[in-house]
Amino acid sequence: AQSVTQLDSQVPVFEEAPVELRCNYSSSVSVYLFWYVQYPNQGLQLLLKYLSGSTLVKGINGFEAEFNKSQTSFHLRKPSVHISDTAEYFCAVRAAGNKLTFGGGTRVLVKP
Amino acid sequence: DAGVTQSPTHLIKTRGQQVTLRCSPKSGHDTVSWYQQALGQGPQFIFQYYEEEERQRGNFPDRFSGHQFPNYSSELNVNALLLGDSALYLCASSRRRPGNTIYFGEGSWLTVV
Repeated sequence: AQSVTQLDSQVPVFEEAPVELRCNYSSSVSVYLFWYVQYPNQGLQLLLKYLSGSTLVKGINGFEAEFNKSQTSFHLRKPSVHISDTAEYFCAVRAAGNKLTFGGGTRVLVKP
Repeated sequence: DAGVTQSPTHLIKTRGQQVTLRCSPKSGHDTVSWYQQALGQGPQFIFQYYEEEERQRGNFPDRFSGHQFPNYSSELNVNALLLGDSALYLCASSRRRPGNTIYFGEGSWLTVV
């Protein structure tokens, strides 16, 4: 079985400041890794994914994430946030089949 | 190209009633999954359908059942509703291959009173 831990439930950040959202996972098999964003009252939108290859993955809206196998982490970063980045962010893993296992989410609040 | 569409968007039911939620996958997708997202939590996998059969199931009771039709659309049925079933129900679709992106719909908000 897989599990995902998002270490911060809420991250307040000022506009144009950098942000890092932490994600650790546990799995006995190789997994694919994902970050999704959920804006208020909406579904989930894929930000980026790691399947294989380069451990630094670039996604939409200026986000990137780094896969660290030894630390079983997949932290999400953005060098400069905008007000529009206020949302909830979910880290997820996928092993066999198409089932996604999600973390509890990190709420990002960007302040002017 | 329409993405994943779900209906209804909001509904209110009474304890003990039954509900049916509907999902049309993104064009070209053959695999549909359902997730339950309680307020303030991450989505939890309910089950997945492929070729009209349930292929994987999460830790949900038998009150939760589903169906996939030949056109790949899907329904989620919940019987004997409990207050704790109040949540956002998300439908997700993809092609069968493991690395393919999973797309989510906007969800159906269910409130049980």
